[in-house]
Amino acid sequence: KAGVTQTPRYLIKTRGQQVTLSCSPISGHRSVSWYQQTPGQGLQFLFEYFSETQRNKGNFPGRFSGRQFSNSRSEMNVSTLELGDSALYLCASSFWSGRSAGELFFGEGSRLTVL
Amino acid sequence: GENVEQHPSTLSVQEGDSAVIKCTYSDSASNYFPWYKQELGKRPQLIIDIRSNVGEKKDQRIAVTLNKTAKHFSLHITETQPEDSAVYFCAATGSNDYKLSFGAGTTVTVRA
Repeated sequence: KAGVTQTPRYLIKTRGQQVTLSCSPISGHRSVSWYQQTPGQGLQFLFEYFSETQRNKGNFPGRFSGRQFSNSRSEMNVSTLELGDSALYLCASSFWSGRSAGELFFGEGSRLTVL
Repeated sequence: GENVEQHPSTLSVQEGDSAVIKCTYSDSASNYFPWYKQELGKRPQLIIDIRSNVGEKKDQRIAVTLNKTAKHFSLHITETQPEDSAVYFCAATGSNDYKLSFGAGTTVTVRA
């Protein structure tokens, strides 16, 4: 079974630009979560999607948005980039049993550098 | 989940010794507590998890304990080996299961 795939792996943007990151979950996984990872801050929750619905959102400004498609693939978008947005963005998928949380399978991440 | 605090931020141990990482959480409704290991340049991977109806769980050299009354849980690694060197993250769900909140991570270094 293929793992979680994230594209692009690396990208460099300048302040004010926008960026779109893509995530393809493991086949059969309908839940996709996004996290921002920065040194010393751990993994900060951005949002979680299930069957094209955002079920929860973290404490990030409205510049951060996401969506999920009918095939469970997900995208996140960051508009008006700031220097502080430089980070590793991790996507994780899980098989939601409908009862409780389960294991997250992470992608390798998209490393964003904002200049 | 919500606010998850993790200590220590760094931990250096001699090979063969034990390592203990502690986490506290703020949401009394939290019911799922996983631990992830992230090796340098790699993705985080689940190493062990525990649910609120269990007080302790073991898997070979690693174990996790949970104290729901005190709202804290710990990871114990015995007989540490060089391959245990990594960043370890604790996490907890919140009042709903859709959000997993992570601690800031503990960098474990096993000295040969």
